[in-house]
Amino acid sequence: ETGVTQTPRHLVMGMTNKKSLKCEQHLGHNAMYWYKQSAKKPLELMFVYSLEERVENNSVPSRFSPECPNSSHLFLHLHTLQPEDSALYLCASSPGLAGNNEQFFGPGTRLTVL
Amino acid sequence: LAKTTQPISMDSYEGQEVNITCSHNNIATNDYITWYQQFPSQGPRFIIQGYKTKVTNEVASLFIPADRKSSTLSLPRVSLSDTAVYYCLVASWGAGSYQLTFGKGTKLSVIP
Repeated sequence: ETGVTQTPRHLVMGMTNKKSLKCEQHLGHNAMYWYKQSAKKPLELMFVYSLEERVENNSVPSRFSPECPNSSHLFLHLHTLQPEDSALYLCASSPGLAGNNEQFFGPGTRLTVL
Repeated sequence: LAKTTQPISMDSYEGQEVNITCSHNNIATNDYITWYQQFPSQGPRFIIQGYKTKVTNEVASLFIPADRKSSTLSLPRVSLSDTAVYYCLVASWGAGSYQLTFGKGTKLSVIP
């Protein structure tokens, strides 16, 4: 138990569906992250939030839309995804934004796009 | 952005010391080096972090040479439960941007 929870753990969706991934951290951290982990590829940083403000968007397609309503919750809204978007989506949090801040990861949501 | 390179896989017998090296030739001055461990169906978990020289904690040691172009994670006396994927991360925050690069991971298999 890392203090970061993600729901759902598994999600199957069609290309025309709209769904959302949820992340919650119970660590009092100020920074939260979304990562994509595909088979045989390194972890890709998608979005970074600090104190509910988005500070990083690594050229992620607009079909992925993040939302951070408060410092404990992070959402990833999905719409009109493609099969190549199938991956493990990981949420993480850290005390703040710094290269030496340890990141605490959730268990991930395994997404399959049909 | 620093690029990281690490071996794809390694095998080791129980009780041996395992060293996994990550190359990061264009590491920036502000970058820190962090290693994570990941088991199947779980998110990565922090193992150890350093900036230069040697760092040791209760589970591992991290060796970083003076030029910081590589780092070596050392796991003493591995057990079967150390079978996992190990990632090195080079990261810094500055000028309103997060510079972060994960390696592709080294799959360590510990053999009885």
